[in-house]
Amino acid sequence: DAMVIQNPRYQVTQFGKPVTLSCSQTLNHNVMYWYQQKSSQAPKLLFHYYDKDFNNEADTPDNFQSRRPNTSFCFLDIRSPGLGDAAMYLCATSLKGGLETQYFGPGTRLLVL
Amino acid sequence: AQKITQTQPGMFVQEKEAVTLDCTYDTSDPSYGLFWYKQPSSGEMIFLIYQGSYDQQNATEGRYSLNFQKARKSANLVISASQLGDSAMYFCAMREMVTGGGNKLTFGTGTQLKVEL
Repeated sequence: DAMVIQNPRYQVTQFGKPVTLSCSQTLNHNVMYWYQQKSSQAPKLLFHYYDKDFNNEADTPDNFQSRRPNTSFCFLDIRSPGLGDAAMYLCATSLKGGLETQYFGPGTRLLVL
Repeated sequence: AQKITQTQPGMFVQEKEAVTLDCTYDTSDPSYGLFWYKQPSSGEMIFLIYQGSYDQQNATEGRYSLNFQKARKSANLVISASQLGDSAMYFCAMREMVTGGGNKLTFGTGTQLKVEL
């Protein structure tokens, strides 16, 4: 089945130690998104890629970066995680165009010690 | 700016009963899309149903239906014949197009649904 895959499902890192979260998709969608969801809150968009074009939300901290080496994969890099970055990180994909449904992966729960 | 409001932090329903989850929205865009997603405790966000602002009929998907009242700016989710597996957090979301392609979802704060025997 076509799907959005996130690895790992759970990630523990130390305060200040760089961490990378991975997302892959078999849907062949042009657009990939990263959302941050803190406990008991709604997901919040960090940035998205339209093909190779990176689009950052205005309030996304510089500590968060992303890479998309090809259509199938997208990475979220947190350069120096703080305790406040502990959250669920959700990857989503959609076809190009503003009218398409976003499909989400299972998420990665990040714990910062 | 778009805004989604879900006023029910938690809801209880008995198995096999129907339940309505409320969602109101605010936008100045004439064209918009409304979504409902289900998020079980495991964390994945599952797409349930979509309603476009110009759709003439209310959307339905199996046991899910969307009661869309455009003049009232509401898009309530109705789940018929509730099952234990329906226990989850439910998010209402609105889509807006963004520069660079793709779109952006603005989510409400969610409603935690608990289905009881």
